Amino acid sequence: AQKITQTQPGMFVQEKEAVTLDCTYDTSDQSYGLFWYKQPSSGEMIFLIYQGSYDEQNATEGRYSLNFQKARKSANLVISASQLGDSAMYFCAMSRRGSARQLTFGSGTQLTVLP
Amino acid sequence: DGGITQSPKYLFRKEGQNVTLSCEQNLNHDAMYWYRQDPGQGLRLIYYSQIVNDFQKGDIAEGYSVSREKKESFPLTVTSAQKNPTAFYLCASSTTGYGYTFGSGTRLTVV
Repeated sequence: AQKITQTQPGMFVQEKEAVTLDCTYDTSDQSYGLFWYKQPSSGEMIFLIYQGSYDEQNATEGRYSLNFQKARKSANLVISASQLGDSAMYFCAMSRRGSARQLTFGSGTQLTVLP
Repeated sequence: DGGITQSPKYLFRKEGQNVTLSCEQNLNHDAMYWYRQDPGQGLRLIYYSQIVNDFQKGDIAEGYSVSREKKESFPLTVTSAQKNPTAFYLCASSTTGYGYTFGSGTRLTVV
């Protein structure tokens, strides 16, 4: 079975500073994908970044980067230069094997950006 | 624009009633999914479908039913057997690669 653990229920960061959101995972699969989603108060899930288990380089998308440490089974999200609009719930997720790519989610981290 | 449409946005159900949540996609994705989210928690998989006329149970399928008669549509019925249906329901679809798209969700409340 796959499991995602996010140990930070809430985080605060000052505007324009960087913040790291932690995510560890557990799986026996060799091939898997790791995702980060942002969920604002409106509820929609916004895709941020993806890392494949065989990708050698850490994924980056604009201000988002994924610090992938395969041996430690961690996939932390780094947000650089935080903005007030970054305040939201952030979820780490893992895709399972198979043609249907069901996602297993962590419990989320509520990020608040302070002015 | 391609995407997933969920309706209604808000739904109220009386005790003992069945209700159906709609999910339509125009992305030509083969796979579709239903997730449930409770306050302060992550998403849990209810059902998923890889092709038309085929679907599988997820982690919390009890009290729910689905159908997949068309590629574009994957409605979820919350039956009276679901003892605690108040939650936020998200539909999603995916294709090969890592493309994965979510709808905007339906908030279901039992009154």
